[in-house]
Parts: sequence; C-alpha cells; structure tokens
Amino acid sequence: DTAVSQTPKYLVTQMGNDKSIKCEQNLGHDTMYWYKQDSKKFLKIMFSYNNKELIINETVPNRFSPKSPDKAHLNLHINSLELGDSAVYFCASSQALGAAYGYTFGSGTRLTVV
Amino acid sequence: AQSVSQHNHHVILSEAASLELGCNYSYGGTVNLFWYVQYPGQHLQLLLKYFSGDPLVKGIKGFEAEFIKSKFSFNLRKPSVQWSDTAEYFCAVNPGGGADGLTFGKGTHLIIQP
Repeated sequence: DTAVSQTPKYLVTQMGNDKSIKCEQNLGHDTMYWYKQDSKKFLKIMFSYNNKELIINETVPNRFSPKSPDKAHLNLHINSLELGDSAVYFCASSQALGAAYGYTFGSGTRLTVV
Repeated sequence: AQSVSQHNHHVILSEAASLELGCNYSYGGTVNLFWYVQYPGQHLQLLLKYFSGDPLVKGIKGFEAEFIKSKFSFNLRKPSVQWSDTAEYFCAVNPGGGADGLTFGKGTHLIIQP
C-alpha cells in the first residue's frame, strides 16, 4: 500500500490549459502539503492544510488553487498553465501540524508545459 | 524567516571514501532538523531527524548527523560511502514544532564513483 500517492506521475500539457494533480494519504495524518521542485532541485513549500483547513499559502500565483475535500486528500488545480510552471510537484503529509515528525512524500508529479 | 544553507552543491567521491555534507541554518530558537535523500527519479525519503537530546543522531543506511547549536550546523556524515549512495541530499529545518512547515536547503548532488 502506497502511503502517499499522487496522480498522474507525468503530465504534459500546452500553455493555457487547466490541469489538476491529485494526492491521497492513507496514513491517518492530519496535515498535508504541496511542494514544488524546480529544475535545479530546489524545493519550496506552496501550501499546507491541517484537517482540511488552509494553514500555509506561500507566495504562489492565484492560478494555483488547492482543495482538500477531507483530511486524506489534497488536490492541486492549476489554471492557465505557463511554461514556468514546469516542475516536479510533491505532495507530503505529516502526523500533525509542525512537521515535528517529518514528512512522508509522494513520488511526485512531473509537469511539463509546452 | 529561517533559511538553510548547504555549502556543497556537487560532491564527487570514490567508493569507501568518508562523507561529510555541510548544513547551516539561520534561526535563533529551538529547531527540528532533518536530512532527506532523493535517489534518481524517486521521491524524498527521511534519512534522520533531530528534535532534542543527544546531538549525534544515527539514521538509516549508516548515516549520522551532528547538531552543533553554537555553530547552527547539522552536518551529515557517513564513514564509508557506496555507489548506491549516489543521490540528492537535502537538509531541512522546522522551527520548534511551528506551523511553518519544513524549509529545505538547495540540496547537494552526491556522485559516488565505483
């Protein structure tokens, strides 16, 4: 059983399209996150949710909208995709807010905008 | 805001060599510290973590790290590396259980030559 699963694994799409990435965790964790890893491997937090409540909303274009229907799911919707959105997006979860126990990461979604 | 510096962006070693990867953080209060590893094409996995207590922390795969509070450092070490240790290594900080999530360093790309 995969602890944190993301779909799709790969996503190639044209500029201007709207796409979604889904994330589910079966660990019973309260907190979920989205991170973006750029071409230089730099990881930057985008959002975090705790029990479906938005906690962290970093400086991210409002074309990116997270949605958490329940605490086991955190999806990421991106409108009007741009070339600069190409990256690997990682979902993660932690037992509780504060990441004191570390994160469990999903396997990533490689988004390529052409 | 806290930041994490990893001084070595690329490190190349031969098998059986000893490894030390530097990590410094800027935050004056209590911190939780982590090292993550990302093998080629894979997601991030937790190597080890420090919350409190013994500043020398042992992790998986023979890795260890030492927290030196006076130097704001949390360097990763391994006495004898293997080819399979080739990966990207990330140091991360979470300020004392705060809700800010993990702040990652820019990563160190480690290549082990057989």
